[in-house]
Parts: sequence; structure tokens; C-alpha cells
Amino acid sequence: GQNIDQPTEMTATEGAIVQINCTYQTSGFNGLFWYQQHAGEAPTFLSYNVLDGLEEKGRFSSFLSRSKGYSYLLLKELQMKDSASYLCAVRDRSGGSYIPTFGRGTSLIVHP
Amino acid sequence: NAGVTQTPKFQVLKTGQSMTLQCAQDMNHEYMSWYRQDPGMGLRLIHYSVGAGITDQGEVPNGYNVSRSTTEDFPLRLLSAAPSQTSVYFCASQLAGGGETQYFGPGTRLLVL
Repeated sequence: GQNIDQPTEMTATEGAIVQINCTYQTSGFNGLFWYQQHAGEAPTFLSYNVLDGLEEKGRFSSFLSRSKGYSYLLLKELQMKDSASYLCAVRDRSGGSYIPTFGRGTSLIVHP
Repeated sequence: NAGVTQTPKFQVLKTGQSMTLQCAQDMNHEYMSWYRQDPGMGLRLIHYSVGAGITDQGEVPNGYNVSRSTTEDFPLRLLSAAPSQTSVYFCASQLAGGGETQYFGPGTRLLVL
């Protein structure tokens, strides 16, 4: 199985940049996802990394280092609406399915 | 497309009662999954299916049954509800294959008294 670790809570200021880290241990890494979840809502897809490097999508970027078992989600020009939980999920092919395992999530609070 | 739908949105049960949480998707996705989400615990996989007629257990399957008779539907059955099953339940679906993301339903909030 996987062991996925991310900080429980982070705070940041509107307009700033924040980096949310995720570390994982897995025997058959097959991709890492980031999801955003607002309170009372379902998770929604943000990014997917399977190769090392940085993937950029507008204000959001995600980085992966497979050798270090490490990823981060970078949020730029923070807005109040970015206050949400951010979930890191890792897929492991050794289980025989493509269903990812989720970390406990990082609650991001953006204040004015 | 409606995407992934779940019913009911909210349910209160008494200990020992049984019920079925419904999940349906209209995207012709092969894979479907059920998760529960508790405060501080993230999303934990209960059961999943990689196609009609095929189901398997996830991390926390005890107390739950599933079946997948069609591609579209994946109901989750609570056989005898317990207070420990109070949670928010999410159903998700995805296409088969390595790079495919999951699409989540809106969730069912279950309270077991």
C-alpha cells in the first residue's frame, strides 16, 4: 500500500504564493493527483503527474520527484476562493487497479 | 451529461437498520469506487469495481456490500448500520487506464444514531 503524508493545515495571505507538499511511499508508483475540495462539496481534479518535473496550469502548478517520493502543489496569486482542502492521491499499479489512495488533505486558509 | 449522481443527499438511520446508497454515472466509465470521508482522515476506499460483474475490497470494506450489475450503477449497501458508519460517502468513476482522473458525485451525508 501507500503511505501518503501532507500537512494538516496551512494559512496564507491573499495575493501571496503557497506551496503544499506531499510525500509518499509506494512499491509501484503509477501517478500522482491533486484535488481541490471546498467545504461541503465533492473533490475536483486539479493536476496529474506521472513523470518528474513541473506541470503548470494557470495559477496552479504541480511538481513531482519520483526518486524522492515527493510532490508539491504551488498556488500563485492566492484568492479568497482558494480557501479549501487540497488532497494528494497516489496510484500504485502493484494492486492491479488504477484506483488511487488519498492522503488526509491539507486545509488551506487564505486571509485578506 | 449528468456526470456522477448520488442519492440520497442526506440520511439518518438508527443502529441496526439497513439501507442502500445509490450511485450512477452516464459517462460510460469502466471504473467506479466508493469512499468515506471522516474529519482528519481523508478519503478512504471502501469498495471498487473495474467493470460490470467485478468488484473488490478497498481499505475499509467491513459492514458494506456492493454489486455492479450494469456499467452505470454501483450501489453501496449498509447491512446493519452502526454509529461508526456516520460519515460522508462519495462515489467516483473514471475511465480505465493510467492517466485518467476520477469524477466524484456530490456525496451522501449519513448519520447513524
